[in-house]
Amino acid sequence: GAGVSQSPRYKVAKRGQDVALRCDPISGHVSLFWYQQALGQGPEFLTYFQNEAQLDKSGLPSDRFFAERPEGSVSTLKIQRTQQEDSAVYLCASSLLSRPSYEQYFGPGTRLTVT
Amino acid sequence: AQKVTQAQTEISVVEKEDVTLDCVYETRDTTYYLFWYKQPPSGELVFLIRRNSFDEQNEISGRYSWNFQKSTSSFNFTITASQVVDSAVYFCGYAGNMLTFGGGTRLMVKP
Repeated sequence: GAGVSQSPRYKVAKRGQDVALRCDPISGHVSLFWYQQALGQGPEFLTYFQNEAQLDKSGLPSDRFFAERPEGSVSTLKIQRTQQEDSAVYLCASSLLSRPSYEQYFGPGTRLTVT
Repeated sequence: AQKVTQAQTEISVVEKEDVTLDCVYETRDTTYYLFWYKQPPSGELVFLIRRNSFDEQNEISGRYSWNFQKSTSSFNFTITASQVVDSAVYFCGYAGNMLTFGGGTRLMVKP
């Protein structure tokens, strides 16, 4: 079956531009997570949705970061006025059940480079 | 706050050697889950194992085995008879309210 997909796979943005990253979770998965992975580091939690409700956004690094999942399926992570420190791989994961402690299935990530 | 430490940033072995990847965590929670994920060069994290804090039994799956010791807050991962295809970055994770990853261990298996 189809796994988690993310688009675009690569994105180059000039500093100050807005970007939108898309995640298509596995069909029927209740939970959706966004992570940021800097080069050579482990993924760091950004935010978590249970269906369309954003239950935790404590990991979002600034108010320039915004995520939504309006219909409880596809999610978009938006970064406004990108900065060089935003350069990273953004990973999306989904889970069948409603808690972060269950197995999460990851997408291939979007590599964002801010120049 | 929870913390996951993978002290080995990079390990290099020759094919068929056994290798152990260390993971140590810090927490005040009594109930939690521990994970290992594999990240091959393609970038997609692949789930390997999930273990809850009440189950300290070691687990074996083929060439993979995991040793969970609550007394030392460790959840180590051993690959027996390593193969070139095992080359990847391996992440240990802790899940309480959210999934927290260690910094990863890059394993290079040379033919």
